[in-house]
Amino acid sequence: DQQVKQNSPSLSVQEGRISILNCDYTNSMFDYFLWYKKYPAEGPTFLISISSIKDKNEDGRFTVFLNKSAKHLSLHIVPSQPGDSAVYFCAAQKLVFGQGTRLTINP
Amino acid sequence: DTEVTQTPKHLVMGMTNKKSLKCEQHMGHRAMYWYKQKAKKPPELMFVYSYEKLSINESVPSRFSPECPNSSLLNLHLHALQPEDSALYLCASSQTVLAGTYEQYFGPGTRLTVT
Repeated sequence: DQQVKQNSPSLSVQEGRISILNCDYTNSMFDYFLWYKKYPAEGPTFLISISSIKDKNEDGRFTVFLNKSAKHLSLHIVPSQPGDSAVYFCAAQKLVFGQGTRLTINP
Repeated sequence: DTEVTQTPKHLVMGMTNKKSLKCEQHMGHRAMYWYKQKAKKPPELMFVYSYEKLSINESVPSRFSPECPNSSLLNLHLHALQPEDSALYLCASSQTVLAGTYEQYFGPGTRLTVT
């Protein structure tokens, strides 16, 4: 049973545009969410997090939105840059990961 | 120093071999983790150590044996593995496991192939 789901295995976005990566979860007890970015041959790198007491957290080009009633969160990257091309994992409470979304930024 | 190091980077072993994976961090983190990641799948938690004590074992087969000799080191001892155990093994650390609010720092992983 996948408690954290990323339903889009891949996403392709033009450089300079907004990338939106989505994540859904089923466990209403989760109260902390993280996004990680993973390049090939490297371990995941922490990107941004959000606590359930907030509905938005922003860090530079990265913003995470949390909709608790829908059990949905999204990561917005704007403007998207070629260096953002990677696999992005949504995680809950550090320990439960989604399947990942491969983002490709096209120059 | 925000680095988690793992050795070796690659390991090929037979089903009768005994080998160990090593992980090290010098960030003063008191929580360390082993994950297993198969191709095109998310990392799956195997073990969590908190203050050098095993706090979570996600029903991992006994052919995987973790060890935390001190707060900076985490080992994973392997014995009598199966070919389906071939995967990327990731080590991670975080300040603590309390409150679930601290991000994890991951090592680059050890690519294990069991023949």
